[in-house]
Amino acid sequence: DAGITQSPRHKVTETGTPVTLRCHQTENHRYMYWYRQDPGHGLRLIHYSYGVKDTDKGEVSDGYSVSRSKTEDFLLTLESATSSQTSVYFCAISARGTRTDTQYFGPGTRLTVL
Amino acid sequence: QKEVEQDPGPLSVPEGAIVSLNCTYSNSAFQYFMWYRQYSRKGPELLMYTYSSGNKEDGRFTAQVDKSSKYISLFIRDSQPSDSATYLCAMSAGGTSYGKLTFGQGTILTVHP
Repeated sequence: DAGITQSPRHKVTETGTPVTLRCHQTENHRYMYWYRQDPGHGLRLIHYSYGVKDTDKGEVSDGYSVSRSKTEDFLLTLESATSSQTSVYFCAISARGTRTDTQYFGPGTRLTVL
Repeated sequence: QKEVEQDPGPLSVPEGAIVSLNCTYSNSAFQYFMWYRQYSRKGPELLMYTYSSGNKEDGRFTAQVDKSSKYISLFIRDSQPSDSATYLCAMSAGGTSYGKLTFGQGTILTVHP
């Protein structure tokens, strides 16, 4: 998984509770991304980061926030989880400057909000 | 209408068959095209990458891009049971849109012995 780990790998939580997912990379890549994957929707970008403390919104950012205080870590927070946020969450990384726009994915976090 | 359309299948073929997977798209700015393979309960892994139009071959896999028709394909020759997975197309415009990949919804492929 291209030097990417995600934690936790599985989580069950209740509606209204805060949840933080962590993505850790050992590749020293500048760009990091959070996606969610749902049946019938493929992968959709939630937020991304292009450097420490530099983040921006993706396609489905409502209800999510992110932080990146170190190159290697990118955190995704659900401030108050809802059942619609039940999904599989993937972190990805890429290295701009390689003339490609390819991304490499972590193993995923399966989140269930009851 | 979605920006990228991909037939979700499922697609079931016998071992040894030639498999054709396809995506169509509407954004003419897309110039980077990728295919990812995703095994059950795993993260997507990059399979093929193509820039602009043309063909690219890697072993049993061939990726084709036809920008004039806004159509991309992935061909798998001599398919194997180990090819059973979900295949996702992805594309981006690059440049100032770097990192903003748009994915198809994925095609579920099963290759049976």
